[in-house]
Amino acid sequence: DAKTTQPPSMDCAEGRAANLPCNHSTISGNEYVYWYRQIHSQGPQYIIHGLKNNETNEMASLIITEDRKSSTLILPHATLRDTAVYYCIVRVYNQGGKLIFGQGTELSVKP
Amino acid sequence: DAMVIQNPRYQVTQFGKPVTLSCSQTLNHNVMYWYQQKSSQAPKLLFHYYDKDFNNEADTPDNFQSRRPNTSFCFLDIRSPGLGDAAMYLCATSREGLPLNEQYFGPGTRLTVT
Repeated sequence: DAKTTQPPSMDCAEGRAANLPCNHSTISGNEYVYWYRQIHSQGPQYIIHGLKNNETNEMASLIITEDRKSSTLILPHATLRDTAVYYCIVRVYNQGGKLIFGQGTELSVKP
Repeated sequence: DAMVIQNPRYQVTQFGKPVTLSCSQTLNHNVMYWYQQKSSQAPKLLFHYYDKDFNNEADTPDNFQSRRPNTSFCFLDIRSPGLGDAAMYLCATSREGLPLNEQYFGPGTRLTVT
């Protein structure tokens, strides 16, 4: 079973920041938090991952709480092309690195 | 560009007629995965190959098999497709052995069973 909980859907205005929350209260000390997204009719796409420090790349920022029980993915300036399902995944590294997807958050970016 | 390729993108098969989906990659990754994604659901891992070692998920039906003849190619065989096997099938690759490298997904093959 997935070890994460996400809201099923969110809306965001184009050009504004999109903040997608994720709860992973049972995360283990050596497990990372990964974020992927899936645009309609495409394969999932890696966004970012982190262990306990905040991370930033060209796509997004990842904020992980100090107790590591939750995290937030931030898309700083959402565009219409960011409309997708966003999956927060706790990586089970020692099982071949497989990804166990939860239901994700369907983000709709509106003009 | 290096990538994960899935052919065909759309496949129609008849109930009970064996079907094979293919995946190839130019990334030289040592791990290849097959996921099943039914309508409005999240992807679910069926099995994966770590190099030549096959790893089946406990709840993957026996109807699903896989072959990996070389590093670049991996096949998903459905021996007797049922209506419930209609889904998007996603192939992914990763390079394990390096710290937590991400998985790269292909565009998927959408399977219809008539």
